[in-house]
Amino acid sequence: DTEVTQTPKHLVMGMTNKKSLKCEQHMGHRAMYWYKQKAKKPPELMFVYSYEKLSINESVPSRFSPECPNSSLLNLHLHALQPEDSALYLCASSQGIQARGGELFFGEGSRLTVL
Amino acid sequence: AQSVTQLDSQVPVFEEAPVELRCNYSSSVSVYLFWYVQYPNQGLQLLLKYLSGSTLVKGINGFEAEFNKSQTSFHLRKPSVHISDTAEYFCAARNTGGFKTIFGAGTRLFVKA
Repeated sequence: DTEVTQTPKHLVMGMTNKKSLKCEQHMGHRAMYWYKQKAKKPPELMFVYSYEKLSINESVPSRFSPECPNSSLLNLHLHALQPEDSALYLCASSQGIQARGGELFFGEGSRLTVL
Repeated sequence: AQSVTQLDSQVPVFEEAPVELRCNYSSSVSVYLFWYVQYPNQGLQLLLKYLSGSTLVKGINGFEAEFNKSQTSFHLRKPSVHISDTAEYFCAARNTGGFKTIFGAGTRLFVKA
């Protein structure tokens, strides 16, 4: 059983829609991540939150807007997406930057299709 | 700059045979090394990690990996694979004290009956 929960598992949206992806973890981790994964490719980092503050934005287009309401929750707000944004969106968490290792715990992902 | 290279994009192998998935890394600073597995339509799951100390690390599902500093390699091995090991395997590196995990391109392990 995954300890990082993502909803919804599947999402289909038009280019003018507004939708959100949600992620929750209860492992006490202080870092949370959004990754984008295209078919047959490795995950690409989009955003990192550390202690609920945005630490890294990998030059992601503004049509993706992250939000970290508290230490357990991470959202990704989607607006005016393009068909090429269709992908698997993975949420992950890890211990804080001072911890040794910092391995990532992933959710099962939200598969997004933009029509 | 940091990079991770997985030398094989696909590895077909028969059930109960041994397998090695190869990974080389490049970094100017100290790194932690990881292997993750991704089954179809799922997220990634940690198989094993190397932080420091013993160069042979054991992970879940009977996998192990050996860190070789002189060859900058971190190859993954399993002495006898099962059909259920069919998946995508990612080698990854993360700077000590950093947030970014760099993934290799992935190796598709296909176990045949």
